Amino acid sequence: GQNIDQPTEMTATEGAIVQINCTYQTSGFNGLFWYQQHAGEAPTFLSYNVLDGLEEKGRFSSFLSRSKGYSYLLLKELQMKDSASYLCAVARAGSYQLTFGKGTKLSVIP
Amino acid sequence: DGGITQSPKYLFRKEGQNVTLSCEQNLNHDAMYWYRQDPGQGLRLIYYSQIVNDFQKGDIAEGYSVSREKKESFPLTVTSAQKNPTAFYLCASGTTSTDTQYFGPGTRLTVL
Repeated sequence: GQNIDQPTEMTATEGAIVQINCTYQTSGFNGLFWYQQHAGEAPTFLSYNVLDGLEEKGRFSSFLSRSKGYSYLLLKELQMKDSASYLCAVARAGSYQLTFGKGTKLSVIP
Repeated sequence: DGGITQSPKYLFRKEGQNVTLSCEQNLNHDAMYWYRQDPGQGLRLIYYSQIVNDFQKGDIAEGYSVSREKKESFPLTVTSAQKNPTAFYLCASGTTSTDTQYFGPGTRLTVL
């Protein structure tokens, strides 16, 4: 089975750094995705980690530890437009399916 | 423009009626997916298709049906058997060489 945990809500200040954690337990693992979803809109792809380590893409970075079943999304120099839900999703081995966590709602305050 | 389209954005139906949600993509993706999103529940997979004329049930297929007659199109029918159909429905597509999925804008269905 699949189990993905991430915090329900987080609040951070504009200009600061925030780390959103995701832990997972899965019977087969092909990689881990992060998506951003603004309220009422579609999720948009942020990052995909297959191997252990940190992947940096502008203000956003994503980290994966396969042995620990752990990932985080790091957002730097927070902007008000970063207020959104951040979805962690695990790619199931042997299929083209993703299992999503419930999402973390991030609120950026002035 | 390349992308995934879903229409309409908002849909209202009376209880007991079947309703079909459209999803079209011109990205030449082989795989297409339907998800349902409820507050506090995350995205849950309803049906998916990896090739034309073939599809598989996801985690919550009961009360739904799909067809995949063309590569570009993957319509979802919400039948009267679906006990709680009011939700935000998202369609996605992707290639079979990567796990990345790209989402359409969604349809918010309200059953009165």
